[in-house]
Amino acid sequence: KNQVEQSPQSLIILEGKNCTLQCNYTVSPFSNLRWYKQDTGRGPVSLTIMTFSENTKSNGRYTATLDADTKQSSLHITASQLSDSASYICVVDSSYGNKLVFGAGTILRVKS
Amino acid sequence: DAGVIQSPRHEVTEMGQEVTLRCKPISGHDYLFWYRQTMMRGLELLIYFNNNVPIDDSGMPEDRFSAKMPNASFSTLKIQPSEPRDSAVYFCASSPGQGSEQYFGPGTRLTVT
Repeated sequence: KNQVEQSPQSLIILEGKNCTLQCNYTVSPFSNLRWYKQDTGRGPVSLTIMTFSENTKSNGRYTATLDADTKQSSLHITASQLSDSASYICVVDSSYGNKLVFGAGTILRVKS
Repeated sequence: DAGVIQSPRHEVTEMGQEVTLRCKPISGHDYLFWYRQTMMRGLELLIYFNNNVPIDDSGMPEDRFSAKMPNASFSTLKIQPSEPRDSAVYFCASSPGQGSEQYFGPGTRLTVT
């Protein structure tokens, strides 16, 4: 069964600190892996998209890694800001963008 | 571009009533997706269109749900009759091509009492 599991479920960190969110998947076939940020009351916004051959991709203070052999990905947030408080969703694309499998998300709260 | 536009943003209705959710995709995007998000199940794909044609509706929960895309700039998701378990946030997303990034609308929060 195609599944995407994320950990932790929730996380609280102090402003300025770094954090890493984890994603494990069993989706097959694999096309690409995406990380989305979803602010409360809004739609998800794409942070990164990585294909099978990409090991890492950055978007500002967000850096995603992918190990296609172990089927694991991580999202590292550097020097967190209050505006980073959101749900971060790991998504695996098994059909070139048309059949996305969503993880349950990690809720991040950054406090001052 | 204004992004994906959805209306209404909030809808409260009574069980048994018909509900119609609306979506305007980003101009030039060939793909349109309808998703549902709940606390229990997270985000789920309901149906998607390519060039106004429904391609995969296997995620539509039952016959009470229907979706149309009469032209490239408008799509509807209809629930008739609505039930309390349909309460969720419904998102529309569009994409310029296969495998490309999907751009989500702000969502419609539906409450069925």
